[in-house]
Amino acid sequence: QKEVEQNSGPLSVPEGAIASLNCTYSDRGSQSFFWYRQYSGKSPELIMFIYSNGDKEDGRFTAQLNKASQYVSLLIRDSQPSDSATYLCAKAGNKLVFGAGTILRVKS
Amino acid sequence: DTAVSQTPKYLVTQMGNDKSIKCEQNLGHDTMYWYKQDSKKFLKIMFSYNNKELIINETVPNRFSPKSPDKAHLNLHINSLELGDSAVYFCASQGLGDEQFFGPGTRLTVL
Repeated sequence: QKEVEQNSGPLSVPEGAIASLNCTYSDRGSQSFFWYRQYSGKSPELIMFIYSNGDKEDGRFTAQLNKASQYVSLLIRDSQPSDSATYLCAKAGNKLVFGAGTILRVKS
Repeated sequence: DTAVSQTPKYLVTQMGNDKSIKCEQNLGHDTMYWYKQDSKKFLKIMFSYNNKELIINETVPNRFSPKSPDKAHLNLHINSLELGDSAVYFCASQGLGDEQFFGPGTRLTVL
């Protein structure tokens, strides 16, 4: 079992909809997670960091962490075509462990 | 100013050659990393240095040798390049928190 798992997608949503991206992890002791966005041909850029159970909101983005169920999710409200990218979930620690990423396509 | 820079951006070379990729960060961070992203976009850590000392060395062939002349620089030298080394290599740096800042990447193509 991989430490961090994501559905590779692609996940297609219409413009204006909510995009829901999910990530599960195997180490119950994991404390905190990052969501990175990576446009094609570019480097990963951090969009959210979450370390406590519950929700964390930043603009159109909401990260959710459920330690009991060992999953992390990222919700993007009012999705825009510019949100089309690969979203990488990463477990924090002495090193980042990334999931394989989910491709999101927002269609106008 | 670019926070984390890498050179070259593209590298095309023949099998068996030796090549180097350079990375520099101007963020004042103590920790730097090398990652490899393969054709399936999976991003995997290779090495980590903290203040010029190697602290993480994943199961990477010893043809790959990182070098950190100072804490702002982390270079990656690759000997006897193989087809499977073709990938995008990212350098990253990390300060006191867990956030890592990535360089623009070096796309290595081995022919």
